Amino acid sequence: SQTIHQWPATLVQPVGSPLSLECTVEGTSNPNLYWYRQAAGRGLQLLFYSVGIGQISSEVPQNLSASRPQDRQFILSSKKLLLSDSGFYLCAWSGLAGGPYNEQFFGPGTRLTVL
Amino acid sequence: AQSVTQLDSQVPVFEEAPVELRCNYSSSVSVYLFWYVQYPNQGLQLLLKYLSGSTLVKGINGFEAEFNKSQTSFHLRKPSVHISDTAEYFCAVSTVKVGGTSYGKLTFGQGTILTVHP
Repeated sequence: SQTIHQWPATLVQPVGSPLSLECTVEGTSNPNLYWYRQAAGRGLQLLFYSVGIGQISSEVPQNLSASRPQDRQFILSSKKLLLSDSGFYLCAWSGLAGGPYNEQFFGPGTRLTVL
Repeated sequence: AQSVTQLDSQVPVFEEAPVELRCNYSSSVSVYLFWYVQYPNQGLQLLLKYLSGSTLVKGINGFEAEFNKSQTSFHLRKPSVHISDTAEYFCAVSTVKVGGTSYGKLTFGQGTILTVHP
């Protein structure tokens, strides 16, 4: 069966520090991968999605970047964190072909607090 | 572009009462519709989805939803809620791109926090 992992589970970082969040998927090949952010009272915002190694699409301009160095690994990064980067970050994957009706499977999330 | 509106940000109910969480969407093309549930500090879990066919969709944990194309709605219902149903619920839509795929992208509503009181 497929599983999705995210780490760390929680993170407290000072403003201006770098960030690296990692997401890995097991039990499937060539998934579509997604990074979302949940800020308090603002629902889910899609940040990035990837349909293959090295292929990243950004949904909103921001202080963050994403990379996909391996088929089932998705990394969210920042060179310098802002207070507004605080939130709950969710990674998700959907199946091969990424048809519009494919269910997205979510990881457990990372709670990031920027102080 | 599509959008999703969840009409209630918070819904308090008593245990064993019925509940309806409302969702309306806007799209110029055909859509697929989803309801997800999120328990505190956890990821999202799919409750149910509408792809085609019967407009009444049954999901896990006794939830069901009805797709109404004319009203562009996909309201979630449960006839009798439990304390354990306390969570945040998200409605989401994925559109069908003519001549291509949409890579499974979803647009989410702002969420409805359901609180079940004893």
